[in-house]
Amino acid sequence: ETGVTQTPRHLVMGMTNKKSLKCEQHLGHNAMYWYKQSAKKPLELMFVYSLEERVENNSVPSRFSPECPNSSHLFLHLHTLQPEDSALYLCASRPGARNTGELFFGEGSRLTVL
Amino acid sequence: GQNIDQPTEMTATEGAIVQINCTYQTSGFNGLFWYQQHAGEAPTFLSYNVLDGLEEKGRFSSFLSRSKGYSYLLLKELQMKDSASYLCAVMDSNYQLIWGAGTKLIIKP
Repeated sequence: ETGVTQTPRHLVMGMTNKKSLKCEQHLGHNAMYWYKQSAKKPLELMFVYSLEERVENNSVPSRFSPECPNSSHLFLHLHTLQPEDSALYLCASRPGARNTGELFFGEGSRLTVL
Repeated sequence: GQNIDQPTEMTATEGAIVQINCTYQTSGFNGLFWYQQHAGEAPTFLSYNVLDGLEEKGRFSSFLSRSKGYSYLLLKELQMKDSASYLCAVMDSNYQLIWGAGTKLIIKP
């Protein structure tokens, strides 16, 4: 138990569906992250929120839309995805607003796009 | 470009010692992290090195040589539960984490 909870753990969706991934951290951290993890590839940073403001968007297609309503919750809204978007989506948090210190990861949401 | 290299897969025997290497080329250096990820689980923090030398933490040790752009994770007295992927990540001069693709470690009885 890392203190970062992601739901759902598994999601199968068609290319025309709209779904959302949810992340909740109970650690009082100020920064939250979305990463994409594909088999045998490095983690890809997607979005960073610090104190509820988006501070980084790593050229992610607009079919991925993040939302951070407060410092404990982070969402990733998914719309008209492609099969190549199938991957494990990891949420992480960090104590400080700056990019220092270790990351605390959730167990991920395994997404399959048909 | 920035790059982290680590072996894709390694196999070792229960009770033995294994060394997982990581080499990096990055724009600046603000520390190197090792994470462990069991299949279907969250990556968890193992170690952080920012100065040259060996950091020991129980059965696990991590070594860093900044001049060589090189680190290794040493696992002693291997147990079956050590079967996992081990991720190396370097923080560059902009405090961005650059990740390796991970090393899958298989422990055999």
